[in-house]
Amino acid sequence: DAGVIQSPRHEVTEMGQEVTLRCKPISGHNSLFWYRQTMMRGLELLIYFNNNVPIDDSGMPEDRFSAKMPNASFSTLKIQPSEPRDSAVYFCASSFTYAGTLRGEQFFGPGTRLTVL
Amino acid sequence: AQSVAQPEDQVNVAEGNPLTVKCTYSVSGNPYLFWYVQYPNRGLQFLLKYITGDNLVKGSYGFEAEFNKSQTSFHLKKPSALVSDSALYFCAVRVYGSSNTGKLIFGQGTTLQVKP
Repeated sequence: DAGVIQSPRHEVTEMGQEVTLRCKPISGHNSLFWYRQTMMRGLELLIYFNNNVPIDDSGMPEDRFSAKMPNASFSTLKIQPSEPRDSAVYFCASSFTYAGTLRGEQFFGPGTRLTVL
Repeated sequence: AQSVAQPEDQVNVAEGNPLTVKCTYSVSGNPYLFWYVQYPNRGLQFLLKYITGDNLVKGSYGFEAEFNKSQTSFHLKKPSALVSDSALYFCAVRVYGSSNTGKLIFGQGTTLQVKP
């Protein structure tokens, strides 16, 4: 398996532009997570999905952020409009949940390094 | 409130010496505990986990961790450090039975520096 795939790996954009980050989870995994990592705030969970349904989006910073999972093999995280304070590394992770309890480990993608100028 | 603490921002150890990276947690219910490692410009990699059973858990790359319920700790250890172990280490916890069973709560990370 190729692992969790994220694209693009690097994104540089200007303030006010729309940014879309993409994630392909590991085949067979039914939970998907979006994280943001910065020096100041560390690793933050933004949102997670189980069976393509958003379960907890309490970590989404504000309405400029939105995430979708149209099918089991694809998810997007969109920022519109982007701001310089959104600059961070964004990670996608996936795992397998059974019996309603997540016992397995999460597998992380390589991340997207976003710079908003 | 549920939380994970890694009290040391950085741990320095000489190659060949034993290493310990500390982690304490505060959760309600039974904890599922994890250690991850992050190398520069890479995503997090799973090292080991404690779900139930033996308090000493063995993981990847010779690492192990000891679950101590009375001290609410889950320290990461390795008998003999390698320079290649130098990286950022994260402790994480998930609570069984919580409505947020999908969430991992991460510590702030500890940078391990192993010097030759």
